[in-house]
Amino acid sequence: RKEVEQDPGPFNVPEGATVAFNCTYSNSASQSFFWYRQDCRKEPKLLMSVYSSGNEDGRFTAQLNRASQYISLLIRDSKLSDSATYLCVVSVNTNAGKSTFGDGTTLTVKP
Amino acid sequence: DTAVSQTPKYLVTQMGNDKSIKCEQNLGHDTMYWYKQDSKKFLKIMFSYNNKELIINETVPNRFSPKSPDKAHLNLHINSLELGDSAVYFCASSQDLGSEQYFGPGTRLTVT
Repeated sequence: RKEVEQDPGPFNVPEGATVAFNCTYSNSASQSFFWYRQDCRKEPKLLMSVYSSGNEDGRFTAQLNRASQYISLLIRDSKLSDSATYLCVVSVNTNAGKSTFGDGTTLTVKP
Repeated sequence: DTAVSQTPKYLVTQMGNDKSIKCEQNLGHDTMYWYKQDSKKFLKIMFSYNNKELIINETVPNRFSPKSPDKAHLNLHINSLELGDSAVYFCASSQDLGSEQYFGPGTRLTVT
């Protein structure tokens, strides 16, 4: 089983739709969680951190469920510019800690 | 100002050659990383340095040797390049282990 698993998609949605991605992780010692987006032929960029209480940034909402070991990203009112690959990242914050990236979920928003 | 920079952006070379990729960050971060993203777009950690010390060394051929002359720089040297080394190599940095990471623009390596 992979340490971090994401549905690869692709998710094809019309503009204005609401779409949600889940990401499951296997290491219960994981402490930090993030969502990144990666556009084609570009570097990954931090979209948002995921806090225990859940957090929102404009149209984006991230949630953490420690009991079931998953994080989620909800995008409301999708825009064409939201088309990208979304990567979830799970980190163990110890002296030898590392961050593990999921393989990404591809989203295409269509007019 | 570029936070994490890499050079070169593109690198085309022949099998068997030795090449280096350079990375610099001006964020004052303690931790730097090298990632490989292959043709399937999967991003895999190769190395992680914290305060110039090697912390993570994933299963990477020993033809790959990272070097961190100071906290702001992490270079990657590759010996005897093989076709399978063709990929995009990303450098990244973070304040410390487990914090959010900031990526460089990537180096697209093509081995012919």
